[in-house]
Amino acid sequence: GENVEQHPSTLSVQEGDSAVIKCTYSDSASNYFPWYKQELGKRPQLIIDIRSNVGEKKDQRIAVTLNKTAKHFSLHITETQPEDSAVYFCAAPSGGSYIPTFGRGTSLIVHP
Amino acid sequence: NAGVTQTPKFQVLKTGQSMTLQCAQDMNHEYMSWYRQDPGMGLRLIHYSVGAGITDQGEVPNGYNVSRSTTEDFPLRLLSAAPSQTSVYFCASSRQGGNQPQHFGDGTRLSIL
Repeated sequence: GENVEQHPSTLSVQEGDSAVIKCTYSDSASNYFPWYKQELGKRPQLIIDIRSNVGEKKDQRIAVTLNKTAKHFSLHITETQPEDSAVYFCAAPSGGSYIPTFGRGTSLIVHP
Repeated sequence: NAGVTQTPKFQVLKTGQSMTLQCAQDMNHEYMSWYRQDPGMGLRLIHYSVGAGITDQGEVPNGYNVSRSTTEDFPLRLLSAAPSQTSVYFCASSRQGGNQPQHFGDGTRLSIL
């Protein structure tokens, strides 16, 4: 099955700084790479995703980049704000897998 | 359109008790799954279903049972609760499995004494 590793486990930044979270995966057949945000006490919610036919996708202050050769994808948050503080999860499906495997999560803390 | 609905939101059980966590979705999604979330461990898959009448085990299935008699409902049963099953449980659904976004319920916070 798919093995997804996510780093760092904790990331502390000052408001206005950029944050980058990286995930690596093992199954070269994986073709869909989402990122979820989970605020304290809430459900995980999709914030951005990318498919394997593109290398980068942006949505305002967040972006995801994909390197299929190296089998890693990253979440980039620019101009961080305190409301970006949350746990972020990456996920990847095994080729043909019905259900994704999640990374262990990154706790992002944005200090005002 | 309520999305994914989980009940109850909180539950306290004694060791050895059994209970069922309910999950229902109104999006006509074929794929449904149950995860448990523990500190530092991320979301670990317990059981999943690719359609009514079809279920399979995930990463941590021991002590749990599931069934899928309808497209809408996917209940999770704890057969004999143990303190190690204290966790937050999330139900999720998706239109097409791992290649589509997962829609999560609000979670059930379960404590086993």
